[in-house]
Amino acid sequence: DSGVTQTPKHLITATGQRVTLRCSPRSGDLSVYWYQQSLDQGLQFLIQYYNGEERAKGNILERFSAQQFPDLHSELNLSSLELGDSALYFCASSEEGNTEAFFGQGTRLTVV
Amino acid sequence: QQPVQSPQAVILREGEDAVINCSSSKALYSVHWYRQKHGEAPVFLMILLKGGEQKGHEKISASFNEKKQQSSLYLTASQLSYSGTYFCGTGSGGYQKVTFGTGTKLQVIP
Repeated sequence: DSGVTQTPKHLITATGQRVTLRCSPRSGDLSVYWYQQSLDQGLQFLIQYYNGEERAKGNILERFSAQQFPDLHSELNLSSLELGDSALYFCASSEEGNTEAFFGQGTRLTVV
Repeated sequence: QQPVQSPQAVILREGEDAVINCSSSKALYSVHWYRQKHGEAPVFLMILLKGGEQKGHEKISASFNEKKQQSSLYLTASQLSYSGTYFCGTGSGGYQKVTFGTGTKLQVIP
């Protein structure tokens, strides 16, 4: 157990819908990352937050947004979902930006 | 930019050695190595922060050549448990994001 909790584990939704993925980082970790992993693909960086502020952005679509709350948990919002958004979404946390990151078990999103 | 990993896939027999390479076109501050088993979350192996530094984790070690912007992961006397996809991640310093390569699939067979 990495100490990073992601909910839900599985999500099935229709095209055009909006979903929210939640991540609770390890206790004490200030940095949260979101990654997207499509079937048998690598980890695509989406966005990073550090202590509530956005630190870095990857190839995150405009339909996607995220935030980190004062209690350090983070949410990733995906809207106007398309079939191609089906993927495993990982959240990871670390103490700082360049230290060991711990990954959650991921949320498997299926858009039908 | 995404670091480039090679090889893309490798099959080993138990006890054999392997090397996985990671290179970047950008100046690097850090290199991170993770292993992901099928259907599971990536698990941290090691992080290298200084040029030329070598680190080890049991029979897995890595080197980082800051000047060449390259890192290599060395797996010695491989075990069945080493099977999985290995990702290198590169960081450009400070609080910068870690960008992962496309991964190297490693399969160890008896």
